[in-house]
Amino acid sequence: GENVEQHPSTLSVQEGDSAVIKCTYSDSASNYFPWYKQELGKGPQLIIDIRSNVGEKKDQRIAVTLNKTAKHFSLHITETQPEDSAVYFCAASDNAGNMLTFGGGTRLMVKP
Amino acid sequence: DVKVTQSSRYLVKRTGEKVFLECVQDMDHENMFWYRQDPGLGLRLIYFSYDVKMKEKGDIPEGYSVSREKKERFSLILESASTNQTSMYLCASSLFPGLGLPGELFFGEGSRLTVL
Repeated sequence: GENVEQHPSTLSVQEGDSAVIKCTYSDSASNYFPWYKQELGKGPQLIIDIRSNVGEKKDQRIAVTLNKTAKHFSLHITETQPEDSAVYFCAASDNAGNMLTFGGGTRLMVKP
Repeated sequence: DVKVTQSSRYLVKRTGEKVFLECVQDMDHENMFWYRQDPGLGLRLIYFSYDVKMKEKGDIPEGYSVSREKKERFSLILESASTNQTSMYLCASSLFPGLGLPGELFFGEGSRLTVL
C-alpha cells in the first residue's frame, strides 16, 4: 500500500518568514495530493490540493509543488502569520477510490 | 455550513468496557470515515462506509467495528476497550467523487478517548 513520509515533524519560524513542509510517497499510481491544516481543538481542514497533471498550484500565501519523478511534494507558506500556527498533514491517494494515506504531520509554530 | 458532529469530546473508560463513538453529518454525504490520530503517526483509517449498511476496512480495523444504519450517522464501536486504544478519534465525511478523485474530507472536532 501507499506510504507517506512527512518532514519535519516540528517547525518554528519567525513571523514573516517562509515555511516549507516536505512529503514523499511510495506508490507511483498516486495522483492526488491534498494538504490539511488542523488548528488546536479542531478537526483537520483542507487548505490546498494538487493533481498529478500539475506541477505547482498557488492560493494567496500558500503553494504546493509536485515532483512525480522523485515522488515528492511540498507545501510552501510565505509571509507566515501567527494564525498559520497549526499541525499540517499531507496525504496521497490514487483514483481508485476514497482512500487517503496521511503523513505523520508537522507542527508549525510562528513566533510573533 | 458544513457540519460533522461527534457526540463526545472526551471519554474515560476502563479496560474491557464497550465503547460507542457516534458521528453525525448534515451534508447528505455518501462517504463517512473513522480515523485515529496519534502523535507522529498522522491519521490512520480505521473503517469507512460509502453507503448505508456498507462498510470497508481501513488500515487498522483490528479491535474496532462500525455501524451505519442511516446515511447521516456512522458509529465506531470498541467491543472491549484496551489501553492501546487510547487516542484521538476523528470522524469525517465526503461526497462520492464523480471525477475519479477523492472528495474533500470534512472532519469533526474529534473524540479523545482514554482507556484506563
